[in-house]
Order: sequence, then C-alpha cells, then structure tokens
Amino acid sequence: DQQVKQNSPSLSVQEGRISILNCDYTNSMFDYFLWYKKYPAEGPTFLISISSIKDKNEDGRFTVFLNKSAKHLSLHIVPSQPGDSAVYFCAASPNAGNMLTFGGGTRLMVKP
Amino acid sequence: DTGVSQDPRHKITKRGQNVTFRCDPISEHNRLYWYRQTLGQGPEFLTYFQNEAQLEKSRLLSDRFSAERPKGSFSTLEIQRTEQGDSAMYLCASTSQGMNTEAFFGQGTRLTVV
Repeated sequence: DQQVKQNSPSLSVQEGRISILNCDYTNSMFDYFLWYKKYPAEGPTFLISISSIKDKNEDGRFTVFLNKSAKHLSLHIVPSQPGDSAVYFCAASPNAGNMLTFGGGTRLMVKP
Repeated sequence: DTGVSQDPRHKITKRGQNVTFRCDPISEHNRLYWYRQTLGQGPEFLTYFQNEAQLEKSRLLSDRFSAERPKGSFSTLEIQRTEQGDSAMYLCASTSQGMNTEAFFGQGTRLTVV
C-alpha cells in the first residue's frame, strides 16, 4: 500500500524551462510535506517543505504547491538548470519531526 | 558542525556475517531516524529515537536488526546473519524537536551482501 506516489519515474526538460514534478498521497493524516533531491551514492538533500495550513511555499527557483482536497502536491523549478538533474523524492509525515513516508522518486534530466 | 555523518560509506560482507553501522547526528538534534533505500525505491523508515529512547520500529525491522542510541548522541544499527536481501543503502537522518523541522540526512552506508 503506497501512501505516497510519484507516478512519473522520469522527466526531461530543456534548460531554462519549467520543471514540474508531481506527487499524490492517500493518508489524510499527513500534515507536513517535503521535497528532497538525491544524487547517486549520496543521501537525500532537503529542498523545500510545506505545512498543510498553506497551499504554496516558495524558495528561490523552487515552489511547492499543495492541494489538500486532491491530496496532491507539486514542485516547480524555474528556470531549470543542468545542475538540477537528480532524483527528486516527495515525502510526507503526520507532523513535522515525525517519520517520513517517501514516494518512489522522479528522475529529472535538464538538457543544456 | 558538518551535518549528519555515517560510517562506513561502503560495506561488502559475506552472507551470514554481522555488520554494524554508525551514525553521528547534528549535535543539537535530539531525534534520529534510520531508513533503508533499495534501488529504484524511495527510502523506507526503519526506526526512530528521541534522545536515547527508541520510540518506533517498522515491521521492516526484523529480529536480525537492532539499533541503539546509548547516550542520546550517536546511534548504531547492527544486522546479524546478513542475507542478500539486506543489500541496500542505509540512511540516517536527524531533526530537532518542534514544528516544521525538516530531516537532514547523512550520505548513507551502502551495504552489499555477497
């Protein structure tokens, strides 16, 4: 039973364009959502988070949108850069500081 | 402080051997987590400590796995009688207590059981 799903295993985008990564969840108890970026042979690096009291959070080129009624969140990266090429994981927890449930990841490739 | 540190980075062991991994969290973080990641999957939760107390264990953590955090600082994860299915990346993360705190991950220990 996958409580957090990333349905696109990969995404290819041209440099300078927008990258949109999507994530769906099923557990209504999830209240805090995060995006992590992962390079091969390294641990995940935190990118951005959002609490359920908000529907948008922005940090530089990264924006996360949360649609609680649809149980859907998305990560927008604009403009995309080749250095953004990595695997992106969305994660959710019942509250901040609690254990995380991860999606399966989306591999983003940004072409120069 | 340089973040969450894990040792070793890589471990190759023969089936049936015991292995132990170490995690040093960010010093002011009182919560510590172990996750396991296999190829093509997202990390899966194994267990969680608040200070020295182990508060939660996943059903993924079979009786061959044991984790400790004796003084509420570093933690160890031991796998006894390793099996090929234990081959994975073992990730440690830490957070401070409070609202809206993200987990910071170490670089992981890649275990290969041959």
